[in-house]
Amino acid sequence: DAGVTQSPTHLIKTRGQQVTLRCSPKSGHDTVSWYQQALGQGPQFIFQYYEEEERQRGNFPDRFSGHQFPNYSSELNVNALLLGDSALYLCASSLFGGGRDYGYTFGSGTRLTVV
Amino acid sequence: DQQVKQNSPSLSVQEGRISILNCDYTNSMFDYFLWYKKYPAEGPTFLISISSIKDKNEDGRFTVFLNKSAKHLSLHIVPSQPGDSAVYFCAASARETGANNLFFGTGTRLTVIP
Repeated sequence: DAGVTQSPTHLIKTRGQQVTLRCSPKSGHDTVSWYQQALGQGPQFIFQYYEEEERQRGNFPDRFSGHQFPNYSSELNVNALLLGDSALYLCASSLFGGGRDYGYTFGSGTRLTVV
Repeated sequence: DQQVKQNSPSLSVQEGRISILNCDYTNSMFDYFLWYKKYPAEGPTFLISISSIKDKNEDGRFTVFLNKSAKHLSLHIVPSQPGDSAVYFCAASARETGANNLFFGTGTRLTVIP
């Protein structure tokens, strides 16, 4: 049973560039959430996608955008990268409305380094 | 503004003894709380949760206690096993402000000594 798959696992980008991270949810899940985990911190909620729409958003600027495809997979895009965007980006999947009750399934993350 | 706090960055416990991990929160609108475990190079794994209408939830060796008046919750692991060594995150959410938005603490690294 495939869990949440994220790609790439590691990425190095230059300040000002744009980056796209990808996520395939666990089989049977229809909702994808993205989290940013800075070093020494807990994950911070970026946004959640369901039915190809952004359903909820955390306190992140518009440089962070996303997309969900008909097969439920998702992309996270970050424009105009800043050094402070360096972090582990986690994708979490669930059934819509079920994350709170049954817990999200997290991927292993993409480690983004901005230089 | 850290709404969920785990003030102990690390904890060491002997195998077979009880591990108690603590978590405090400041937002009184939080009505659901979860614990996640994270091994190196892996994503967080859901462990156990509790609704604010309860004060205790038990699942095998894991028990979560919630003290709403103190805005405090704790995770008890009995007996502790070496495989429990990991980073534990406390998380909370508020249905009224966005149930899907989990607020995480900074984590506690548990080491169980054989």
